[in-house]
Amino acid sequence: GAVVSQHPSRVICKSGTSVKIECRSLDFQATTMFWYRQFPKQSLMLMATSNEGSKATYEQGVEKDKFLINHASLTLSTLTVTSAHPEDSSFYICSATGLAGEDEQFFGPGTRLTVL
Amino acid sequence: SQQGEEDPQALSIQEGENATMNCSYKTSINNLQWYRQNSGRGLVHLILIRSNEREKHSGRLRVTLDTSKKSSSLLITASRAADTASYFCATLYNQGGKLIFGQGTELSVKP
Repeated sequence: GAVVSQHPSRVICKSGTSVKIECRSLDFQATTMFWYRQFPKQSLMLMATSNEGSKATYEQGVEKDKFLINHASLTLSTLTVTSAHPEDSSFYICSATGLAGEDEQFFGPGTRLTVL
Repeated sequence: SQQGEEDPQALSIQEGENATMNCSYKTSINNLQWYRQNSGRGLVHLILIRSNEREKHSGRLRVTLDTSKKSSSLLITASRAADTASYFCATLYNQGGKLIFGQGTELSVKP
C-alpha cells in the first residue's frame, strides 16, 4: 500500500522558534497533500490543502503566515510553524492522495510538537 | 462547522462483545470513511463506503450508510483487546477532496 512518512516524529522547541515538519509520499506521487492538527482527546482538524506547485488553501481560522506550507515536489510537502508558542503544541498529521479521482487519503504517522 | 458527530464518545465493552459506533454528517457526500487511531499514533484506514452503497463488510467490520438520515454506523464483531483505539468517521464532500472528521469514539475492550 501507499506509504507516507513524516519527519520528525517528535520535536520540542522553545517559544519563538520556527519548526519545519516534512511529509513525504514514499512510493507514489502525491498530487495533493493535506495538513491536520489534533489536540489531545480531540478529532483531526484540517488546516490546509496543498497541491504541488501552487499555493496552499487554508481553512478558515488558520493563519497562513503562521503555518507556512510548501509543496515543491510531488513527493514532499513541508509545514513550517513560525514563531511557535505553547498554544501551537499539538499533533500534526499529513495525508496525501495520488492519482486524480482517488478517494483514499494515506496518512503519515504524525509529528508531536511541544513548545516550551 | 461541517464537522460530523459521533456517538458514543466513549464505549467500554468486554472482549467478544460487539461494538457499534455511529456517525452523523451535515451535507451530501461523495463517500464516508472510517479510520482507527491508537493513542498518539497515526491513522489507519479501515473501510470506505460510497454514497450509492448501503452496506459494506471487511473482516469483522460492517459499515452501513443511510444517506437519507445522513448517518453511518461501524460495527466491530467479536471484539478483541487489540481493538482498543479511537475510531473516526470522515466524510469526503463533492468538492475539493477534503476529508471532514467526526469527533471520534474512544473504544476500550477489556480482556
